[in-house]
Amino acid sequence: KAGVTQTPRYLIKTRGQQVTLSCSPISGHRSVSWYQQTPGQGLQFLFEYFSETQRNKGNFPGRFSGRQFSNSRSEMNVSTLELGDSALYLCASSLDVGGGETQYFGPGTRLLVL
Amino acid sequence: GQSLEQPSEVTAVEGAIVQINCTYQTSGFYGLSWYQQHDGGAPTFLSYNALDGLEETGRFSSFLSRSDSYGYLLLQELQMKDSASYFCAVRDSNYQLIWGAGTKLIIKP
Repeated sequence: KAGVTQTPRYLIKTRGQQVTLSCSPISGHRSVSWYQQTPGQGLQFLFEYFSETQRNKGNFPGRFSGRQFSNSRSEMNVSTLELGDSALYLCASSLDVGGGETQYFGPGTRLLVL
Repeated sequence: GQSLEQPSEVTAVEGAIVQINCTYQTSGFYGLSWYQQHDGGAPTFLSYNALDGLEETGRFSSFLSRSDSYGYLLLQELQMKDSASYFCAVRDSNYQLIWGAGTKLIIKP
């Protein structure tokens, strides 16, 4: 069974631009969570989607948004990029809402904002 | 607020045993998970405790005491490949995973 895939793997943008990241979960998984990770930091929860509905949202500004499609694939969008948005963005899929007992992570998208 | 506390760094010798502690303060509790992340890699699941006690999976064990809001990850017969960051995470009353900042495990030969 294929793992979680994320595209693109690397991205360079400039301040003020917007970016869209994509995540394809493991086949059969209906929950997709997004996290931001900065160097030396833990995972900061962005949001979780389950069956196309946002179930949980972390403490991030409205510039961060997401959606999930009927095939469970998910996208997250960051508008008006700031330097502080430079980070590794991880997506994780699981069978159940809330991550169940186990979340399976993709390799991440490394975003650099200049 | 909700928080998970774990040491930022732990150093141990190859072949030894090391324990990484995690204390939590969350609104509600469904379970404690542990994840491993190598530099440049994605987190991978190690263990999950919903009930008090010890769960053993090969060289790794995880312990939970709900009355003390405390858990730990025990790594035995340390190998160089165990050098990584280890994160604890708690599922709160909203069924959302709250993560610790991670513990960097440094293993010396």
